[in-house]
Amino acid sequence: GAVVSQHPSRVICKSGTSVKIECRSLDFQATTMFWYRQFPKQSLMLMATSNEGSKATYEQGVEKDKFLINHASLTLSTLTVTSAHPEDSSFYICSAGTGGSDYGYTFGSGTRLTVV
Amino acid sequence: GQNIDQPTEMTATEGAIVQINCTYQTSGFNGLFWYQQHAGEAPTFLSYNVLDGLEEKGRFSSFLSRSKGYSYLLLKELQMKDSASYLCAVNDYKLSFGAGTTVTVRA
Repeated sequence: GAVVSQHPSRVICKSGTSVKIECRSLDFQATTMFWYRQFPKQSLMLMATSNEGSKATYEQGVEKDKFLINHASLTLSTLTVTSAHPEDSSFYICSAGTGGSDYGYTFGSGTRLTVV
Repeated sequence: GQNIDQPTEMTATEGAIVQINCTYQTSGFNGLFWYQQHAGEAPTFLSYNVLDGLEEKGRFSSFLSRSKGYSYLLLKELQMKDSASYLCAVNDYKLSFGAGTTVTVRA
């Protein structure tokens, strides 16, 4: 089946630095990728939708200049958290779809970001 | 906007059956997913309903009624490993998730 790889699984960074998270579709081409954030004991909140070769669409309330998304190829999307602050500490999860009816079908394993 | 409701917590004993309900009011609808999520891990796919009716897959079944904006996930023969959070998600060309139902299975 479809596999999505996400790295790193855990990262600790200092406040003010930037962190890049990668999401790769290993055995299929992902025309669309989604980035979610999940705070403890809360559900997944969609941050943005990216389509290969075009700009990401951000959900209301998500700062596009803070959360930079690049989807330069059909197998790779990256999320960069810029100038991270402790309140950005969260679980970030990507998912990838082929553009059909199974949007957001396959999830990556998630990245636990801790900003100290 | 999207409004997806499911109970916060449920508790059941090993071997029992539990039904998790999900009601939704969304601007669009292209199917409904159920996911299982263990603490600190990514969600894993359980089921996808796009037409009305019951989909059975082993110990897990899912039901959908589009006219009522209602779905349920049925877990049979509960095992300890089924203790997890269960997420209902509506597909409107992107997924909108409910808050999740934490199921605790007791011996």
